[in-house]
Amino acid sequence: NAGVTQTPKFRVLKTGQSMTLLCAQDMNHEYMYWYRQDPGMGLRLIHYSVGEGTTAKGEVPDGYNVSRLKKQNFLLGLESAAPSQTSVYFCASRRGKTHLAQETQYFGPGTRLLVL
Amino acid sequence: KQEVTQIPAALSVPEGENLVLNCSFTDSAIYNLQWFRQDPGKGLTSLLLIQSSQREQTSGRLNASLDKSSGRSTLYIAASQPGDSATYLCAVRPTGNQFYFGTGTSLTVIP
Repeated sequence: NAGVTQTPKFRVLKTGQSMTLLCAQDMNHEYMYWYRQDPGMGLRLIHYSVGEGTTAKGEVPDGYNVSRLKKQNFLLGLESAAPSQTSVYFCASRRGKTHLAQETQYFGPGTRLLVL
Repeated sequence: KQEVTQIPAALSVPEGENLVLNCSFTDSAIYNLQWFRQDPGKGLTSLLLIQSSQREQTSGRLNASLDKSSGRSTLYIAASQPGDSATYLCAVRPTGNQFYFGTGTSLTVIP
């Protein structure tokens, strides 16, 4: 049981390039989240998904797209990277749909992205 | 929009001391509040989750309390150890599906 995994661990992009970050979970969780963490700003929600085939915008969605074609995977895409997207990206998941008040979020190890 | 604040931003204590970390939030309509630990360069690890109907939760040397009406939670760490050095974050979940995080308290326990 690997929990939540993220690929890649680190990436350097040039402005205007595109890339996809992959999040995978093996806990059969319904809900998945993408956050970015910047110094002094805490974690901010980019997009989330409440189930396979569904996605929704979070607090800071501009410049990002997501897809949830399979329940276990949640992809975060940067169409045209900008230096402002330099950050550490975290994926998280939770069981969902049952025991709403009791659900813990489980986090991946993060992806460090540097946009030059 | 829910705002979550953690004070202090950094805390340094000698080993063995008991300490309290604070978390405050602006909207008391929450499902739950969760405390996390984050080690440098790592992801977040869940420590404790308190449901909105609960007043506190305990795990080993950790005790988290919740006062929804005043919009406050505290994380109490007993007999601190150097291994407790990390950043501690709290997150609240209002009635939707989103979570709102504080900026964290960086704890250093000095041997």
